[in-house]
Amino acid sequence: EAGVAQSPRYKIIEKRQSVAFWCNPISGHATLYWYQQILGQGPKLLIQFQNNGVVDDSQLPKDRFSAERLKGVDSTLKIQPAKLEDSAVYLCASTHPTGHTEAFFGQGTRLTVV
Amino acid sequence: GQQVMQIPQYQHVQEGEDFTTYCNSSTTLSNIQWYKQRPGGHPVFLIQLVKSGEVKKQKRLTFQFGEAKKNSSLHITATQTTDVGTYFCAANTGNQFYFGTGTSLTVIP
Repeated sequence: EAGVAQSPRYKIIEKRQSVAFWCNPISGHATLYWYQQILGQGPKLLIQFQNNGVVDDSQLPKDRFSAERLKGVDSTLKIQPAKLEDSAVYLCASTHPTGHTEAFFGQGTRLTVV
Repeated sequence: GQQVMQIPQYQHVQEGEDFTTYCNSSTTLSNIQWYKQRPGGHPVFLIQLVKSGEVKKQKRLTFQFGEAKKNSSLHITATQTTDVGTYFCAANTGNQFYFGTGTSLTVIP
């Protein structure tokens, strides 16, 4: 089965610019997560979707970050405007709908804000 | 939000030595998962523990869930260079997954 697809793999932008990341989860996976992983740290949950509804976005900096999953399949995460401290790897993960099963991660998007 | 701490943050061992990382949560967990992340890679699922006091083994890896379902450990026997990476626990409180701070393992040949 195809894995979680993310694009782009790398992105370099200047501070105050905007950027968007795309994620396509494994087919049939209703739950989708976006994580931010700063170098040397563990993944930090930004937002969790169940189908097209938000389950948890308590750690999402809503003044600059937004995410959507309009049709309950693929998702986009946007940062506008970016700050230097947003430099990180943004990981998307999905899980099967039945039970608390393993999360499958994409390769991530490495964002560098200069 | 959920606090999940892991110790140690870094561990250097000689190849063949044992390694243990500990995960502690501030709240009782539904279950706990362990992931391994190789340098430059993404987290890969290792195992899930659900029951209080549960112990699971995968070859040289032994995973344990505490009786109170607030802590867990991962023990690697006789480390090999292929064990290099960062080991994360991921706490599940019902609907959310919160990753621990991770333990970075370096194995010296």
